[in-house]
Amino acid sequence: DAKTTQPPSMDCAEGRAANLPCNHSTISGNEYVYWYRQIHSQGPQYIIHGLKNNETNEMASLIITEDRKSSTLILPHATLRDTAVYYCIGLKAAGNKLTFGGGTRVLVKP
Amino acid sequence: DVKVTQSSRYLVKRTGEKVFLECVQDMDHENMFWYRQDPGLGLRLIYFSYDVKMKEKGDIPEGYSVSREKKERFSLILESASTNQTSMYLCASRARVVVYGYTFGSGTRLTVV
Repeated sequence: DAKTTQPPSMDCAEGRAANLPCNHSTISGNEYVYWYRQIHSQGPQYIIHGLKNNETNEMASLIITEDRKSSTLILPHATLRDTAVYYCIGLKAAGNKLTFGGGTRVLVKP
Repeated sequence: DVKVTQSSRYLVKRTGEKVFLECVQDMDHENMFWYRQDPGLGLRLIYFSYDVKMKEKGDIPEGYSVSREKKERFSLILESASTNQTSMYLCASRARVVVYGYTFGSGTRLTVV
């Protein structure tokens, strides 16, 4: 699975959009980009995933560059409950090993 | 709402005890996983199962065993608990093909004293 690189932390103002970058320059053609988040003392929660195209769901939007070497997770209107560690992961369709890197610790401030 | 349920959120056990961590999923997923999460070490795979009665070792299986007698239930067993097994244990499940990712339980924080 691809190695991913994320900034260790970022702050965001409540109500503003939060843009979380992720570099995955070694991602292979059959690997999806997945985003999870983990709120303190809870299990990781699936947010969104994509292969080539940009994706949007009720939680977030995912923008993947054309060369697939990086992506950005967008939380359109951050709330205090979005404070969490966000993980970007490259994962093959049949992959069994989910490897979380350091992630980005997002703090949403009032 | 689909979910993965872990039997305990917090557990305190004594060194040498046999410990059972239970996980149940209601999504009819074929694959189930046990991870442990420690500060600075990320998520590490202990065991996984891709079918009933089937199991595969992950990266750190030593000191652990698993049981999957029914599709919905995957149990992690610490044969003789030790203090270095103090950790957050996470159970996850997914369908055979990873389309919608993994669903995790809330975790069990185990302390071995």
